[in-house]
Amino acid sequence: EPEVTQTPSHQVTQMGQEVILRCVPISNHLYFYWYRQILGQKVEFLVSFYNNEISEKSEIFDDQFSVERPDGSNFTLKIRSTKLEDSAMYFCASSARLTGYNEQFFGPGTRLTVL
Amino acid sequence: AQKITQTQPGMFVQEKEAVTLDCTYDTSDPSYGLFWYKQPSSGEMIFLIYQGSYDQQNATEGRYSLNFQKARKSANLVISASQLGDSAMYFCAMREGRVDSNYQLIWGAGTKLIIKP
Repeated sequence: EPEVTQTPSHQVTQMGQEVILRCVPISNHLYFYWYRQILGQKVEFLVSFYNNEISEKSEIFDDQFSVERPDGSNFTLKIRSTKLEDSAMYFCASSARLTGYNEQFFGPGTRLTVL
Repeated sequence: AQKITQTQPGMFVQEKEAVTLDCTYDTSDPSYGLFWYKQPSSGEMIFLIYQGSYDQQNATEGRYSLNFQKARKSANLVISASQLGDSAMYFCAMREGRVDSNYQLIWGAGTKLIIKP
């Protein structure tokens, strides 16, 4: 069964450093998403991506964040200068279509720890 | 205002009993979808069940069913014959059908379900 994969599973970084979180969505999916979940809190939407551009982003997704689909398979989230409050689980998701039943398949997550 | 409200932060249920996890939502959009996800302690997010706002019947998926009461704006998850492996966090989420949106999921705070042997 196809699945979304994410690497690394856990990333530890120093405050101010850049991190890139990687995701490989399901191969025939067209819509890609990043969510984050701070420990013990609800899941928060960051950004959605379609046709090689951002289609929607939340207030959390400021200039420190960027996304890219550098090739036909990877979808990355970059945080330019990490802050302590960026520590969270980051989930990538993908979906096949937009209208109607739009199940988003989630990856296993990357736990980011900023020291 | 909260779009998705899960009023039960935690629940203990005896194995083999049925359990209902509450979810109420708030939207003015006539087109929306409601989702339930399970998050085990390992952290991954597992899709369980979906209910569309125009669906005439309550959704069912194996031991999972969704008690959809549109007028009350509630979409409670019912797990029949609970198993020890059902112990996890359960999240209710909503997708609003705005034309200009890629249908981000809006999440509730979750309910931690613990099944007792």
